[in-house]
Amino acid sequence: QVQLVQSGAEVKQPGASVKVSCKTSGYTFTSHWIHWVRQAPGQGLEWMGIINANDGGTVYAQKVQGRVTVTRDTSTSTVHMELSSLRSDDTAVYYCARDVSGVMVWWLDPWGQGTLVTVSS
Amino acid sequence: SSELTQDPAVSVALGQTVRITCQGDSLRTCYASWYRQRPGQAPLLVIYGKNNRPSGTPDRFSGSSSGNTASLTITGAQAEDEADYYCYSRDSSANQWVFGGGTRLTVL
Repeated sequence: QVQLVQSGAEVKQPGASVKVSCKTSGYTFTSHWIHWVRQAPGQGLEWMGIINANDGGTVYAQKVQGRVTVTRDTSTSTVHMELSSLRSDDTAVYYCARDVSGVMVWWLDPWGQGTLVTVSS
Repeated sequence: SSELTQDPAVSVALGQTVRITCQGDSLRTCYASWYRQRPGQAPLLVIYGKNNRPSGTPDRFSGSSSGNTASLTITGAQAEDEADYYCYSRDSSANQWVFGGGTRLTVL
């Protein structure tokens, strides 16, 4: 079955960077884009960005543009999300999710289990 | 605009029908997908497109769309349906994807 398994929780100081990994399995890696979504404590879901696993092309949300970099490793079917210049309001659970699309519709299925990133001094 | 608007909270009596709505300009040109999130869990796809259910979604869940509004309807709500529900779509003009703010469903 299709699975996305994320790396473990991280604790970082303000100003540092964090890199979260998302290892995929059960499908052809280059056939689907991968999204990153985050959720601050008690808040809703926030879309962060997407990578085309085939050619590595990316699109980022305006809010994190300039601080986020998403890359992929086709040899290991893994996607990485790096967020730099961390602030306390970057504390959140970060999810990766596989993009599936149809005619004028996009959906995310499945999702990774989530990675808690805590930014604290 | 890349915004999707949802009511923050909705309640329904056990066994009754509830509709959760999502409004936004992007919904005029594309369908929404819907996700259920229980506390401490990752979101789970429940409806996508015009009215498509992935395997595992009970048939009491249905979707619809009209103009700039997408709706998720639960016919005969069960206690296990109590959760947060999010809509999601693409804003093609801005090449961005966006979630609604979420609706907390309480089953009374």
